[in-house]
Amino acid sequence: EAGVTQSPTHLIKTRGQQATLRCSPISGHTSVYWYQQALGLGLQFLLWYDEGEERNRGNFPPRFSGRQFPNYSSELNVNALELEDSALYLCASSVIILGTDNQPQHFGDGTRLSIL
Amino acid sequence: AQKITQTQPGMFVQEKEAVTLDCTYDTSDPSYGLFWYKQPSSGEMIFLIYQGSYDQQNATEGRYSLNFQKARKSANLVISASQLGDSAMYFCAMRDVPNAGGTSYGKLTFGQGTILTVHP
Repeated sequence: EAGVTQSPTHLIKTRGQQATLRCSPISGHTSVYWYQQALGLGLQFLLWYDEGEERNRGNFPPRFSGRQFPNYSSELNVNALELEDSALYLCASSVIILGTDNQPQHFGDGTRLSIL
Repeated sequence: AQKITQTQPGMFVQEKEAVTLDCTYDTSDPSYGLFWYKQPSSGEMIFLIYQGSYDQQNATEGRYSLNFQKARKSANLVISASQLGDSAMYFCAMRDVPNAGGTSYGKLTFGQGTILTVHP
């Protein structure tokens, strides 16, 4: 089965521009998660979408937003880019079974966003 | 709030030896899941092993096993018979159990990671 796919692999932008990152989950997975991995800061949770709705949001400013489409793919949009937004952005997908916690999140290869 | 602590920034091990990567966690939730991921230099995150908070047995997956000590809030990863391909960053992560409302849970909280280097 195909894994989580992310595009583009690399994205170079300048300060103030807007970036759009895309993610296709594993077939059958309804939940999509976005994480930011900036140098020295580890993996930080950004957003969680399930069944087309935003379920949870990490401690990031509103210029980080996204959506999930009917086919469960997702977009992450970052507006008014700042130098500190340079990072690897990882998308993950999973199934959700209420009352259980053993479904792992499967990650894509990430989009490396560089702000010049 | 949940917190994961990995106190070993870097570890070295000889090929074919075993190595233990430490992970301690803090949560007030009675039910949670613990996960370990491997991140090679290429960047992808690879799921290795899962331990549930109510599991009676320590999890094992091939050469990976978890030394889960609930009272001490630790979930150390043991890699047996290390291979050169095991050289990577390793992350410990925790997740709450999704509630009936399906909100506010599901995210993974990660530790800072441990870089493992396997020497020939």
